[in-house]
Amino acid sequence: GESVGLHLPTLSVQEGDNSIINCAYSNSASDYFIWYKQESGKGPQFIIDIRSNMDKRQGQRVTVLLNKTVKHLSLQIAATQPGDSAVYFCAESNQAGTALIFGKGTTLSVSS
Amino acid sequence: DAGVIQSPRHEVTEMGQEVTLRCKPISGHNSLFWYRQTMMRGLELLIYFNNNVPIDDSGMPEDRFSAKMPNASFSTLKIQPSEPRDSAVYFCASSPLLSSYEQYFGPGTRLTVT
Repeated sequence: GESVGLHLPTLSVQEGDNSIINCAYSNSASDYFIWYKQESGKGPQFIIDIRSNMDKRQGQRVTVLLNKTVKHLSLQIAATQPGDSAVYFCAESNQAGTALIFGKGTTLSVSS
Repeated sequence: DAGVIQSPRHEVTEMGQEVTLRCKPISGHNSLFWYRQTMMRGLELLIYFNNNVPIDDSGMPEDRFSAKMPNASFSTLKIQPSEPRDSAVYFCASSPLLSSYEQYFGPGTRLTVT
């Protein structure tokens, strides 16, 4: 697997490796965090979310980790596949029904 | 179930022309959001509505931009007059409940102003 430092704009991995995408958020009052995947020519697509009262949540092949102490969020993708190639965005919110604040995206490239 | 529908998917227009972007949210959703995406600025909120009422339009760049939501199933974003710096991808997203954080995005409208 390959881990990256805080927000690298691009990440290249081999098929089958684990990927870790990092994100720093700005608002300590944010209580909801979400990861989106955006493929070329499409809108952002929901991957996984987490509330501030949790520090880890798992989905299918994906895990989100939240470290509120340092305001850091990460997305782990297990056994990365070519179909995972996309731009990944983290977003935060401090109130339901309001707008999400998006971070800078990370472009994940998976080679087979 | 159809997702958020946006039209047109692509729009090319000349500087000074009026542009109208359209959005149909997911049926039953109570909140609608307009975002703009550029390479330089990423994804930015322009305006959002709850129950068809505009709540926050602080992201609208200037008076040339206006948005309406005449009913629960339709919203428009209008730019008049358009300028080259308005070139971007415009996304509409909807959310099921006022108490929900989840937002579902449409495919976007790619606007090019020459």
